[in-house]
Amino acid sequence: DAGITQSPRHKVTETGTPVTLRCHQTENHRYMYWYRQDPGHGLRLIHYSYGVKDTDKGEVSDGYSVSRSKTEDFLLTLESATSSQTSVYFCAISESRDGSTEAFFGQGTRLTVV
Amino acid sequence: AQSVTQLDSQVPVFEEAPVELRCNYSSSVSVYLFWYVQYPNQGLQLLLKYLSGSTLVESINGFEAEFNKSQTSFHLRKPSVHISDTAEYFCAVSEGGGSYIPTFGRGTSLIVHP
Repeated sequence: DAGITQSPRHKVTETGTPVTLRCHQTENHRYMYWYRQDPGHGLRLIHYSYGVKDTDKGEVSDGYSVSRSKTEDFLLTLESATSSQTSVYFCAISESRDGSTEAFFGQGTRLTVV
Repeated sequence: AQSVTQLDSQVPVFEEAPVELRCNYSSSVSVYLFWYVQYPNQGLQLLLKYLSGSTLVESINGFEAEFNKSQTSFHLRKPSVHISDTAEYFCAVSEGGGSYIPTFGRGTSLIVHP
């Protein structure tokens, strides 16, 4: 199994509070992604990174920010959590620049905003 | 821009019956195609992929998928399913020479009944 660790695995937080999810990899892969998974929507890309300090927005980036100060860590921050951000969040990594290599996924973080 | 359509949100079948999970994609360039499987409370893992060459690709656990360029499809099939195949299945596409970011379908829940 690819070395990807997400923390925490579960979190309950209150509306309006900031929340940070962490993704740590030991594979030295260049590309890292954050997705959210919701019933009926599948996986939707939030943000991605193509190198240290190189990040860009995905299709559902509003209300989220990311940082990548080291190759192995990719942080996702909900600046002010809302109930609509209740979801399961997945981190993924890949190495291929041309998209031919599969993505490896973490176990997910279940976030509940109350 | 690339997109993926999985028409069936849920596919119930009986054990030992054949199954087909449908996937259609849209892209203006050549593509790489993937099927991922997600078991309950786990992350996604690669089932099989098409990069080039033979249009029929197989997995180690009996699934196969056929790339059909004219119909822009990559349907997943298994001649005889087991209870353990019950899971969520995601089709994904990334563009060769274009965006390396995989785009996922909404997923199909395969439910195998005894």
